[in-house]
Amino acid sequence: QKEVEQDPGPLSVPEGAIVSLNCTYSNSAFQYFMWYRQYSRKGPELLMYTYSSGNKEDGRFTAQVDKSSKYISLFIRDSQPSDSATYLCAMSARSNYQLIWGAGTKLIIKP
Amino acid sequence: KAGVTQTPRYLIKTRGQQVTLSCSPISGHRSVSWYQQTPGQGLQFLFEYFSETQRNKGNFPGRFSGRQFSNSRSEMNVSTLELGDSALYLCASSSRITGRNEQFFGPGTRLTVL
Repeated sequence: QKEVEQDPGPLSVPEGAIVSLNCTYSNSAFQYFMWYRQYSRKGPELLMYTYSSGNKEDGRFTAQVDKSSKYISLFIRDSQPSDSATYLCAMSARSNYQLIWGAGTKLIIKP
Repeated sequence: KAGVTQTPRYLIKTRGQQVTLSCSPISGHRSVSWYQQTPGQGLQFLFEYFSETQRNKGNFPGRFSGRQFSNSRSEMNVSTLELGDSALYLCASSSRITGRNEQFFGPGTRLTVL
C-alpha cells in the first residue's frame, strides 16, 4: 500500500461546478500538506500549503486537512476551463523534509 | 525573484550515452530535489541535496547521480542511458527554513532516449 493514495481520474465536470479533489494517507506523522497544479508539459506549481489540521482559503481554492481521518481535500469553486490540469497532493513529516507525493488527479473542466 | 531554471529544456540521446542536466534554484534556496516524471509512474523522487550533501535518495539505480555546488546549483547525471530513461526530469528548490518545506519547480528537461 502506498503512503499517499490519490485517484488518478480523469475527473470531468462542467464549467462552474464545485470540484473536490482528495488524498488519503497512512503516516500519522505527516504535518505539512501541499497541493500542486501541473499543466501539460510544464513543471508543477504550488497552489496551497497547509500545516497540521484545518482549512485554508485562497480565492476560489480551499484546502482542508482532517488529520483524524488522514484525509486532505482541495475544493475549487466556480471551476473554469483554465483549471483543467493534473492536481498533485504532497505531504511530509516534521522530522523529514522529503515530500511524499500522490499520483495526481487529472481534472477536465468542460465549457 | 527569478524562479528555478533548468537547462537544457530538451535533449535527444541514444542508448548507452550519458547525459548531464543542470538546475539553478531560487536565490537563497539551499535545497534542490530531482524528480523523474513519466506518464505511467507519475512523479518519482530521485534525490535531494542540501548544502552540497545528499540528504535523501529515492529508489533508482546507481546510473543516476547528482551533485550540488557551493552556489546551490545542482547537476544530475545519467550514465549508460536506457530507453526507459525517457522522461521529464524536474528540479525543485526549497528554502528549508523554520520547517517550511514547500518546493518550487522548474520547467523540466524532457529527455528522449532513442
